[in-house]
Amino acid sequence: AQTVTQSQPEMSVQEAETVTLSCTYDTSESDYYLFWYKQPPSRQMILVIRQEAYKQQNATENRFSVNFQKAAKSFSLKISDSQLGDAAMYFCAYSDSGGGADGLTFGKGTHLIIQP
Amino acid sequence: EPEVTQTPSHQVTQMGQEVILRCVPISNHLYFYWYRQILGQKVEFLVSFYNNEISEKSEIFDDQFSVERPDGSNFTLKIRSTKLEDSAMYFCASSESAGSYEQYFGPGTRLTVT
Repeated sequence: AQTVTQSQPEMSVQEAETVTLSCTYDTSESDYYLFWYKQPPSRQMILVIRQEAYKQQNATENRFSVNFQKAAKSFSLKISDSQLGDAAMYFCAYSDSGGGADGLTFGKGTHLIIQP
Repeated sequence: EPEVTQTPSHQVTQMGQEVILRCVPISNHLYFYWYRQILGQKVEFLVSFYNNEISEKSEIFDDQFSVERPDGSNFTLKIRSTKLEDSAMYFCASSESAGSYEQYFGPGTRLTVT
């Protein structure tokens, strides 16, 4: 079974600074997908960024980028120029690339605090 | 922007009672999911649904759970005989397709079993 580990229960960063959230995963599959979801205090999860395992290029979405290290099974999220609105729980998630509607396997989450 | 909606936002029920949690997925989406999050723990996959049948389910999704798409818009999760340990947030999600496609999550239903 796949597992996702987020080793940082909480991270704090000054506004406008850069922060990196860590995620490692375990799988025997060679093709899969990885995601970072954000869950603000309102509790509706929204997708921040996704990465296909077969793509070597790291995904980027504006201030959000990932460092995907397939051999190390590592998938960290970098948030540049942190803003107060970035404060939330961040979940790393994994999905098989199988033809079925595979559910996401989530990590325990990292609570990101933005210091003004 | 289209969004997934869930009702009720909070449900309180007594142990042993049946509950139905309702979700309205995004209209052109084909895949539907239920997840739960026990307070302080990770979000866990329960079940996925496609083409009017269960596509995948986790070990958590035992015989006390069932899902249904009773009409063209609603997607429901039924818990037949609730237990104290069923207390959790239940999230519905939908996606256009499987795999890399984004799953859009609803705001959740907080289920409290007393």
